[in-house]
Amino acid sequence: SQQGEEDPQALSIQEGENATMNCSYKTSINNLQWYRQNSGRGLVHLILIRSNEREKHSGRLRVTLDTSKKSSSLLITASRAADTASYFCAPTVPGANSKLTFGKGITLSVRP
Amino acid sequence: DGGITQSPKYLFRKEGQNVTLSCEQNLNHDAMYWYRQDPGQGLRLIYYSQIVNDFQKGDIAEGYSVSREKKESFPLTVTSAQKNPTAFYLCASSARQETNEKLFFGSGTQLSVL
Repeated sequence: SQQGEEDPQALSIQEGENATMNCSYKTSINNLQWYRQNSGRGLVHLILIRSNEREKHSGRLRVTLDTSKKSSSLLITASRAADTASYFCAPTVPGANSKLTFGKGITLSVRP
Repeated sequence: DGGITQSPKYLFRKEGQNVTLSCEQNLNHDAMYWYRQDPGQGLRLIYYSQIVNDFQKGDIAEGYSVSREKKESFPLTVTSAQKNPTAFYLCASSARQETNEKLFFGSGTQLSVL
């Protein structure tokens, strides 16, 4: 398994602004997933991008993947106060019995 | 509703006591996982199970035990050997333990030491 490193650790923006969060990893991956965690709750899967994809959209979410730089970005457009949460990336490596591991995440605060 | 149910939401442990956290899923998932989350930290894998009657240690299994007697259930016991058990515990499941499978999480159990 491989743990992603999210950056920045904390991000504070005004409602309506875009939020960009980054994730770096160290070895080749099969795919990379992004999850969200509201305070005191479990994680919720947001989006999965495969290693042969460069960009993927889901509603106000846009995820990019650059395998040459071993990095991914999650963009939330037109942020809302309800987007306030922690965000985690989870890169998955090839091979059976691979387990998702999670870094410290990014704490996003969206001010009304 | 389909999903994962963790209980209790809050649990208190006395010194030297074993406590068991419940995790039940009705998603018909093969794989189940237990994670521990400390404040401001990431999730660390405790144990995981790919199939009934089989489970493997994760990164921090010492002081914990699990069982998988039924597909739907994956209880976690925090034993007295776990000296620092205060944390938020999350159970998750996936259809299979493969790298393209997303995880579904329960709402967590906050364990505190009295």
